[in-house]
Amino acid sequence: DVKVTQSSRYLVKRTGEKVFLECVQDMDHENMFWYRQDPGLGLRLIYFSYDVKMKEKGDIPEGYSVSREKKERFSLILESASTNQTSMYLCASSRGAGLQETQYFGPGTRLLVL
Amino acid sequence: GQNIDQPTEMTATEGAIVQINCTYQTSGFNGLFWYQQHAGEAPTFLSYNVLDGLEEKGRFSSFLSRSKGYSYLLLKELQMKDSASYLCAANAGNMLTFGGGTRLMVKP
Repeated sequence: DVKVTQSSRYLVKRTGEKVFLECVQDMDHENMFWYRQDPGLGLRLIYFSYDVKMKEKGDIPEGYSVSREKKERFSLILESASTNQTSMYLCASSRGAGLQETQYFGPGTRLLVL
Repeated sequence: GQNIDQPTEMTATEGAIVQINCTYQTSGFNGLFWYQQHAGEAPTFLSYNVLDGLEEKGRFSSFLSRSKGYSYLLLKELQMKDSASYLCAANAGNMLTFGGGTRLMVKP
């Protein structure tokens, strides 16, 4: 079974703090993704990566950055957290070079920014 | 731009059949995913349609019409555990674009 894990299920941070969300997958997948999920808006893609040290902006990259130093790990960074970044953050991974492959999701991190 | 529409909420009775519709407007369309997401959990893969027609997988079936930009997920013999959100996502260009999700409530 594919396993995607995220470092925290729940996180509370203060405005202005730097926040790191970690995601690890154990199936040697090439592709990794970060989404945020908000009521009524569905999942929105923040960043994705097709390979180590490679990153592409998604639909809503503003206020976020990512790092992929190793194939199995994809980190999402909030440089200076703001209250409008309070959300559920979901990491996903898929194999192969294209997006035709099924994405497998981690359990999510619910982030509250005060 | 990409646009995916699905109903926000649906209610159905245990043992019944329910159809969840999804319409999409995308460029470079490759296929349509359906995911199931229980409250507080990760989305899990249900189906992926590339070609027109109906694909059946146990109690769940998914249909795609590329010419109409339309898909539906059909759930038969509903069980209480089917209460969840159902997400459709269009595979287009280099990305998946998700709809807002349909929250299905199954009542006894």
